[in-house]
Amino acid sequence: GAVVSQHPSRVICKSGTSVKIECRSLDFQATTMFWYRQFPKQSLMLMATSNEGSKATYEQGVEKDKFLINHASLTLSTLTVTSAHPEDSSFYICSAPRGQDTQYFGPGTRLTVL
Amino acid sequence: GENVEQHPSTLSVQEGDSAVIKCTYSDSASNYFPWYKQELGKRPQLIIDIRSNVGEKKDQRIAVTLNKTAKHFSLHITETQPEDSAVYFCAGTGTASKLTFGTGTRLQVTL
Repeated sequence: GAVVSQHPSRVICKSGTSVKIECRSLDFQATTMFWYRQFPKQSLMLMATSNEGSKATYEQGVEKDKFLINHASLTLSTLTVTSAHPEDSSFYICSAPRGQDTQYFGPGTRLTVL
Repeated sequence: GENVEQHPSTLSVQEGDSAVIKCTYSDSASNYFPWYKQELGKRPQLIIDIRSNVGEKKDQRIAVTLNKTAKHFSLHITETQPEDSAVYFCAGTGTASKLTFGTGTRLQVTL
């Protein structure tokens, strides 16, 4: 199957700092990627759709100035959590669709904000 | 937008028994319904999917059924094994390949 990587896998940061998470499609090109957030024992919630060469589309309730998304190439999307606070601590997962509908997920990034 | 409901939230079965997880969706335009298995701390893994032009699909011990009229779909796992223990998510896709996930089912297969 298709491979999607994410980096870093874990990050611990101090409150008020910014954290960048990378999502790469390794063996296919993705004009669209998706970013999800998953709190413990909960489902995956779509945060935003990352579009190559244009602005990201954010879901209702997600602050676009706090979660900056850049899709600079057909294989890379980045999510930057700006001015992180403890309530931003979560599991962040990206996905990329390949083919008609099938989405492949990255391994996730566990963010802990102290 | 799409709303996907999933039941039950937890399910415990004995090894060898069958497990059934059910989901309903709200958007009649949704046309793709994947099922994912997620182990603790890991990424969701696609285990089976079905498109709206098909009523049933099977892959070894796993099967999915879709009732478009009633807007519900189900995951069936037969001959369950301990390694089937995980959290299972259903999802529906409407426009632009956006996935809406169900709330998840924690399946525990006991010996």
